[in-house]
Amino acid sequence: KAGVTQTPRYLIKTRGQQVTLSCSPISGHRSVSWYQQTPGQGLQFLFEYFSETQRNKGNFPGRFSGRQFSNSRSEMNVSTLELGDSALYLCASSTLYEQYFGPGTRLTVT
Amino acid sequence: GEDVEQSLFLSVREGDSSVINCTYTDSSSTYLYWYKQEPGAGLQLLTYIFSNMDMKQDQRLTVLLNKKDKHLSLRIADTQTGDSAIYFCAERDFGNEKLTFGTGTRLTIIP
Repeated sequence: KAGVTQTPRYLIKTRGQQVTLSCSPISGHRSVSWYQQTPGQGLQFLFEYFSETQRNKGNFPGRFSGRQFSNSRSEMNVSTLELGDSALYLCASSTLYEQYFGPGTRLTVT
Repeated sequence: GEDVEQSLFLSVREGDSSVINCTYTDSSSTYLYWYKQEPGAGLQLLTYIFSNMDMKQDQRLTVLLNKKDKHLSLRIADTQTGDSAIYFCAERDFGNEKLTFGTGTRLTIIP
């Protein structure tokens, strides 16, 4: 089985721009979660989608949003980028007990 | 709220056992996980344990859970250079996909 895939792997954006990141879960997995990893704050939960519905949301501003499609693929969007949004964004797809992570998208905001 | 703590660094000689410790505060944590992260990579699921278990063994990995003290440990037997990485523990409540992660422990192997 193919693992979780994330595109693009690397992204450089300018302050004020917006960005969309994509995640394809493992085949058959219906839950997709997103996390932000930074040196200062560590790994923080952004949101989780199941069957196209957001079930849970972390403590991030409204500039961070996401969605899930009928094929379970998910996207997250960050609008009005700030320097502090520079991070590794990780997507995970889940079975009942296990969460498998993709390689991440490294976003750099300049 | 949930809080998960780990020591930041651990150095171990090649061939010895590594023990990485973690404490958590949320008494409703149902699932506890260990992940490994190598440089430039995502998180690799190593193993997990349910809160009603005391121990789980999987090849070179042994997880011990002391629920009374909210203490979780990961023992890696016969540590190899390929085990160099950052190890994260994480907890999750029943019915909730959100993982709360510790700060990560950087394991360095001394040849």
